[in-house]
Amino acid sequence: GDSVTQMEGPVTLSEEAFLTINCTYTATGYPSLFWYVQYPGEGLQLLLKATKADDKGSNKGFEATYRKETTSFHLEKGSVQVSDSAVYFCALRPLGGGSYIPTFGRGTSLIVHP
Amino acid sequence: DAGVIQSPRHEVTEMGQEVTLRCKPISGHNSLFWYRQTMMRGLELLIYFNNNVPIDDSGMPEDRFSAKMPNASFSTLKIQPSEPRDSAVYFCASSKDEQFFGPGTRLTVL
Repeated sequence: GDSVTQMEGPVTLSEEAFLTINCTYTATGYPSLFWYVQYPGEGLQLLLKATKADDKGSNKGFEATYRKETTSFHLEKGSVQVSDSAVYFCALRPLGGGSYIPTFGRGTSLIVHP
Repeated sequence: DAGVIQSPRHEVTEMGQEVTLRCKPISGHNSLFWYRQTMMRGLELLIYFNNNVPIDDSGMPEDRFSAKMPNASFSTLKIQPSEPRDSAVYFCASSKDEQFFGPGTRLTVL
């Protein structure tokens, strides 16, 4: 079945450091890929998405590129802020639309210190 | 749009009591999901509805859990009887393409 693997956390960085959170997936065909963010005490929010190979999703300074050859969708940000402290989830949605169940990774906690 | 609405936001109850969690999805979304989140198990899918019909309930832990979606704008998740191990944050999400999550219900069973 489909699966998503994220790097173990927590990831601890100083403000303005470069961020990478690794995500790799296993799926049939070419799924859509997503990054969600969960701030403390809140639900998950869509951060960015990519629907086909080589697409780059971006939002709020975060970026991720859909790499079919390495089945990866790594999340990056050039300069993190304390307000980016949250849990980040990588997810995929199978191709085909209609009835589907997305698959989530276990989440990676990011802690940014001033 | 107000987004996905869940109620109550917090629920504290005693073991053995019935608990009902409520969800109003975003208008126009045809899929609805119930998730449970704990530190130990992370985010678990409990049940998935498409066009108000339950499609996959394989994640429902046991018969104490039941979910309904009587119409496109309302769903409930019921636990009867509740147990301390049911303590978790329960999320409802709806989608037409990507998922939108509600703020969650934090359930504590004493």
